[in-house]
Amino acid sequence: AQSVTQLGSHVSVSEGALVLLRCNYSSSVPPYLFWYVQYPNQGLQLLLKYTTGATLVKGINGFEAEFKKSETSFHLTKPSAHMSDAAEYFCAVSAPSGTSYGKLTFGQGTILTVHP
Amino acid sequence: DGGITQSPKYLFRKEGQNVTLSCEQNLNHDAMYWYRQDPGQGLRLIYYSQIVNDFQKGDIAEGYSVSREKKESFPLTVTSAQKNPTAFYLCASSPRSRSGNTIYFGEGSWLTVV
Repeated sequence: AQSVTQLGSHVSVSEGALVLLRCNYSSSVPPYLFWYVQYPNQGLQLLLKYTTGATLVKGINGFEAEFKKSETSFHLTKPSAHMSDAAEYFCAVSAPSGTSYGKLTFGQGTILTVHP
Repeated sequence: DGGITQSPKYLFRKEGQNVTLSCEQNLNHDAMYWYRQDPGQGLRLIYYSQIVNDFQKGDIAEGYSVSREKKESFPLTVTSAQKNPTAFYLCASSPRSRSGNTIYFGEGSWLTVV
């Protein structure tokens, strides 16, 4: 079985400050990892994903995440927050094999607030 | 434009009624999914389908039913057996149900029991 824990249901930053959203996973096999963003009353949009290869992954809107196997983490960062980054962010995992093959398991979400 | 269309956006259901949420995609994707979203709980998988005329239960299938008669369509019926149906429902699709493939989401449908 696999699971995802997002540390902090709410994160608040000032415009221009560093954004750090934390995600830890549990998986019996090396997982594939995703970050999605959701704006109010809308669907989810993929920010970035890690499957294989380079552990530092760059995504859209200036976000990036680093897969750290030893820490079972996939934290999302952005050097400088913008007001338009205010949204809810979801970390998700899928297993490359086994009963969870092809399906995403989501964390509980982190709401990012950006202050002027 | 290619995408996933969910309808209606808002739906109200009376106690004891069945309702059906529509999901149509023109991305030529093989796999389709239904997720339920509740505040603070993330998304939970209801049903998924990897191919026409085939579907599997997800983590919270009780009280729901689906069909997959066409590649582009995957409607979800919320039955009266679902005790707490008020939620935001998201339909999604991917090229195949393969780990690593990106799953694309529709804009969601709000269901409220009145």
